[in-house]
Amino acid sequence: NAGVTQTPKFQVLKTGQSMTLQCAQDMNHNSMYWYRQDPGMGLRLIYYSASEGTTDKGEVPNGYNVSRLNKREFSLRLESAAPSQTSVYFCASSEAGQGGETQYFGPGTRLLVL
Amino acid sequence: GDSVTQMEGPVTLSEEAFLTINCTYTATGYPSLFWYVQYPGEGLQLLLKATKADDKGSNKGFEATYRKETTSFHLEKGSVQVSDSAVYFCALSDLGGNQFYFGTGTSLTVIP
Repeated sequence: NAGVTQTPKFQVLKTGQSMTLQCAQDMNHNSMYWYRQDPGMGLRLIYYSASEGTTDKGEVPNGYNVSRLNKREFSLRLESAAPSQTSVYFCASSEAGQGGETQYFGPGTRLLVL
Repeated sequence: GDSVTQMEGPVTLSEEAFLTINCTYTATGYPSLFWYVQYPGEGLQLLLKATKADDKGSNKGFEATYRKETTSFHLEKGSVQVSDSAVYFCALSDLGGNQFYFGTGTSLTVIP
């Protein structure tokens, strides 16, 4: 039982390049989330997926797209990377997206955009 | 909108000292409240939670009580250990549960 896994662990991009961050969970959770973590800002929600087939914007969605490929996988795409997207990205999942539920986090992807 | 404010760090304590990390929140309705911990190079892990007013969450010697009257959820531990060194995040989830709001994190270092 691996929990939430993310790939890659670290990535360097040049401005304008694109990339996809991958996330998978093996806990049969319905809801999945993408956050970014920046110094002094805490975690901010980028997008979430309450269930397979649905996605919704969070607090900071601009510059990102997501795909809920199936129940297990939720990917985050940067179409044209910008230095402001340098951050640590965390994927998380929870059972049903109800209030009071625990979110389980992956180990993170460190992205540097030059 | 909903938000969480937590005490700024970094905090440095000697082993066996008492710990308090303050957290206050702004929310409509009755959110659920959480403390997460992040060890270096890792993702966040749930430390404890409380889902209604006056509930006390506890785990590994840490405690926090959901105080609706003061909109607070302060984290406490009576005797910290070196292994408690980490970053601590206060968070809330709204009524629907799909939006989580995190504080900025408080870095704790415990020295022997």
